[in-house]
Amino acid sequence: AQTVTQSQPEMSVQEAETVTLSCTYDTSESDYYLFWYKQPPSRQMILVIRQEAYKQQNATENRFSVNFQKAAKSFSLKISDSQLGDAAMYFCAYEEGAGKSTFGDGTTLTVKP
Amino acid sequence: DGGITQSPKYLFRKEGQNVTLSCEQNLNHDAMYWYRQDPGQGLRLIYYSQIVNDFQKGDIAEGYSVSREKKESFPLTVTSAQKNPTAFYLCASTFGRYYGYTFGSGTRLTVV
Repeated sequence: AQTVTQSQPEMSVQEAETVTLSCTYDTSESDYYLFWYKQPPSRQMILVIRQEAYKQQNATENRFSVNFQKAAKSFSLKISDSQLGDAAMYFCAYEEGAGKSTFGDGTTLTVKP
Repeated sequence: DGGITQSPKYLFRKEGQNVTLSCEQNLNHDAMYWYRQDPGQGLRLIYYSQIVNDFQKGDIAEGYSVSREKKESFPLTVTSAQKNPTAFYLCASTFGRYYGYTFGSGTRLTVV
């Protein structure tokens, strides 16, 4: 089974600063998809950004971008110009066949005003 | 607006009782999933269904059962065989690979 590792249980960032959340995964597949989800205190999970493994270009969604290193099996999330509303738990997920996803244990992000 | 509705938001179960968590979507998604979330942990897959009248076990299916009689509905039953059911349960759906999940707002189940 695939594994997803988020090595930072907690991170903090100053408002308006940039923070990077780490994620590594283990797979023998060449074609797969990777995602970052956000879970705010309301616990409503929201898709933040996605990356196709066969695309070398890193995905970007407004203030959120990824650094995808396929050979290293690394998929980090960078949040620029951090806002108070970014405070949440962030989960990295690897999608295998049938749309099943394996999730990391999450990183709790605190944003300091 | 399209989305996934989970109910109830909070549910209390007595020992030895079966309870059913509801999940309804109006997104026209074929695939639906049930995940369990425990404190400080990620999501673990219980069951999933890619098409009506078909479903497969996930990583932690023991003590749970599901049905998929309609495309819009994917209820999860937590049976008395599930020895530690207290957790947060999330239902999700998707169009398919690449799209990622749309999640419901979750059900918090507590054994009393």
